[in-house]
Amino acid sequence: GAGVSQTPSNKVTEKGKYVELRCDPISGHTALYWYRQSLGQGPEFLIYFQGTGAADDSGLPNDRFFAVRPEGSVSTLKIQRTERGDSAVYLCASSRPMIAEAGSAFFGQGTRLTVV
Amino acid sequence: AQRVTQPEKLLSVFKGAPVELKCNYSYSGSPELFWYVQYSRQRLQLLLRHISRESIKGFTADLNKGETSFHLKKPFAQEEDSAMYYCALRSGAGSYQLTFGKGTKLSVIP
Repeated sequence: GAGVSQTPSNKVTEKGKYVELRCDPISGHTALYWYRQSLGQGPEFLIYFQGTGAADDSGLPNDRFFAVRPEGSVSTLKIQRTERGDSAVYLCASSRPMIAEAGSAFFGQGTRLTVV
Repeated sequence: AQRVTQPEKLLSVFKGAPVELKCNYSYSGSPELFWYVQYSRQRLQLLLRHISRESIKGFTADLNKGETSFHLKKPFAQEEDSAMYYCALRSGAGSYQLTFGKGTKLSVIP
């Protein structure tokens, strides 16, 4: 596809359940980012991958959140024991690897997670 | 730590009127500043970045390091400019993460 693709678009889950959110970046973009956007807020950084490795995970709120990118393309954000406060839109973005391109990220349409 | 402040949640202007969306930042180093836009039911997309010093869709933004501001301006608003606008900062120094403001919703009244 031409853009960053995220699945599912919407996810409703019960408190305490485990969820996985998927991101398929633009082909050739080795840099991949996850952001979280709560209602009325701007996107908040979670984690950044360069290739297969997490180069910066300083934004992950706690150890219930984990992300992987095993082959350097598709990434999965995993949330264990979900809480109602995890409800938000989870955004994925990708960019070319050069740091000069880091701000020029292409965003996906997001996954709206609702924990009930 | 860096911070981006967008003081207006909502800004309404008439078509043809000038627009200024305010953005202030706090960061002790030399940041890189961006404006992102999200039109209704579309994904977040880059509008412009300060290092490019370009005009996109008639919008410009100048980095004022003395006032730590990066206000977005357009001389004549169009209805299609109605959208959510986010100011963002990259701290530099090898960081790839962006810090976003809370956003300003621009509504252009016909």
